[in-house]
Amino acid sequence: GQNIDQPTEMTATEGAIVQINCTYQTSGFNGLFWYQQHAGEAPTFLSYNVLDGLEEKGRFSSFLSRSKGYSYLLLKELQMKDSASYLCAVMDSNYQLIWGAGTKLIIKP
Amino acid sequence: DADVTQTPRNRITKTGKRIMLECSQTKGHDRMYWYRQDPGLGLRLIYYSFDVKDINKGEISDGYSVSRQAQAKFSLSLESAIPNQTALYFCATSAPEREAGELFFGEGSRLTVL
Repeated sequence: GQNIDQPTEMTATEGAIVQINCTYQTSGFNGLFWYQQHAGEAPTFLSYNVLDGLEEKGRFSSFLSRSKGYSYLLLKELQMKDSASYLCAVMDSNYQLIWGAGTKLIIKP
Repeated sequence: DADVTQTPRNRITKTGKRIMLECSQTKGHDRMYWYRQDPGLGLRLIYYSFDVKDINKGEISDGYSVSRQAQAKFSLSLESAIPNQTALYFCATSAPEREAGELFFGEGSRLTVL
């Protein structure tokens, strides 16, 4: 079957760096996506990786290793507004998105 | 104004009632989706449509039906609501294929079935 695993919850300190991991097993691979979802709101797109390596976008970076079925989202210089859930999703061979359950990130002052 | 609009935003109903959730978009996208989200679970796909004449079942379509009235409109119906359909429902749109992973979500419709 298809499976996306990510930690349920993480806690970090304002100003610090946090890495959220995602491992996946899917039928084919057409890209990995990270979304941010604040409580009670809709998910919003953060990043897309289809080739191995690191994609950087401001304070957020996303890494992909296709051979290991592994990705991480790196958040630097954490701000209180970064408190949210972070969803990992993989597009399979049928261009369908398979979603992880999300990682709730709690930022403490 | 939001690019993807859902109505109603909140609804409380009773078991056995028929409910319709509506979605409209101004993104000009052909692809539209309905998801439900439950605490501790990932987003689960209910139905999706790649154009007006194309409707496909998702992972959890039982108990739901959809209608694609126009490119911009995609509605979700619960013919006879039951309590385990209590959830947060999201409509989303996307561009085709390689860009299809970048979804644009509506603000969500919170449905409670008593």
